[in-house]
Amino acid sequence: EIVLTQSPGTLSLSPGERATLSCRASQSVSSSYLAWYQQKPGQAPRLLISDASNRATGIPDRFSGSGSGTDFTLTISRLEPEDFAVYYCQQYGSSPLTFGGGTKVEIK
Amino acid sequence: QITLKESGPTLVKPTQTLTLTCTFSGFSLSTSGVGVGWIRQPPGKAPEWLALIYWNDDKRYSPSLRSRLTITKDTSKNQVVLTMTNMDPVDTATYYCGHSKRNWFDPWGQGTLVTVSS
Repeated sequence: EIVLTQSPGTLSLSPGERATLSCRASQSVSSSYLAWYQQKPGQAPRLLISDASNRATGIPDRFSGSGSGTDFTLTISRLEPEDFAVYYCQQYGSSPLTFGGGTKVEIK
Repeated sequence: QITLKESGPTLVKPTQTLTLTCTFSGFSLSTSGVGVGWIRQPPGKAPEWLALIYWNDDKRYSPSLRSRLTITKDTSKNQVVLTMTNMDPVDTATYYCGHSKRNWFDPWGQGTLVTVSS
C-alpha cells in the first residue's frame, strides 16, 4: 500500500499569498497518477487536479500541480478568500487507492 | 451534469450490517471506463477509499475491509449499493459515493453520516 504524507499539516497564510502544499509517497506513484482535492467544512471533496498536473473542469488557473515519482506539489499562486480549506492528495496508480492526511490552509 | 446522492440509515447498532445506496444521474454505468466508488471519512479525519465497481462489473475493495464489504450495481436503476457487515463504532463516518473514470473521483455525492452506536 502506498502511504501519502502531506505537509505541512496546517499552512497559515494571508489572502494574496502563495501556498505550496506537499504530498510525498512511500513509493513511486505509477505514471504520476495523483489527484488533489479541496474540501470545505460540511462539503464533499472537490477534484482540483488529476494526473498530477491536469486541472479539472472549472478549476481556476491559480491552482497548479506538479511532481512525479514520490514527490508532488499543489501550488495556489494567489490565495483567494474561498481557497481557505483542507486539501487532500490521492494516488490511483496502484490498489488500494489511498489518500493523504490533508493540509489545512487557514487565514493568518 | 453528473450528480450522485447517498441514502441509507443514519444510525446502526454494533454488529449490524450497513446498506448504503448511491443513486446517480448524468452518466451510465454501462459506458466503457466508468466506475462508481465508495469513500468514507470519519469526523475530522482524511478520506478512506472502500470499494469501486466498474462498468464491466469488475470490483475492487480495500484490502483492510474486503471481508466486510460487498459492492453491486443496478444499471437499469442507476444505483450502486454498498454493504458493510459487522459494524463497529469506529466505522462512524460520512460515507460518500463518487463517479470515477480513471480511479479518481469527480464528482462526489453530498455524503451521508452514519453513526454506529448502541
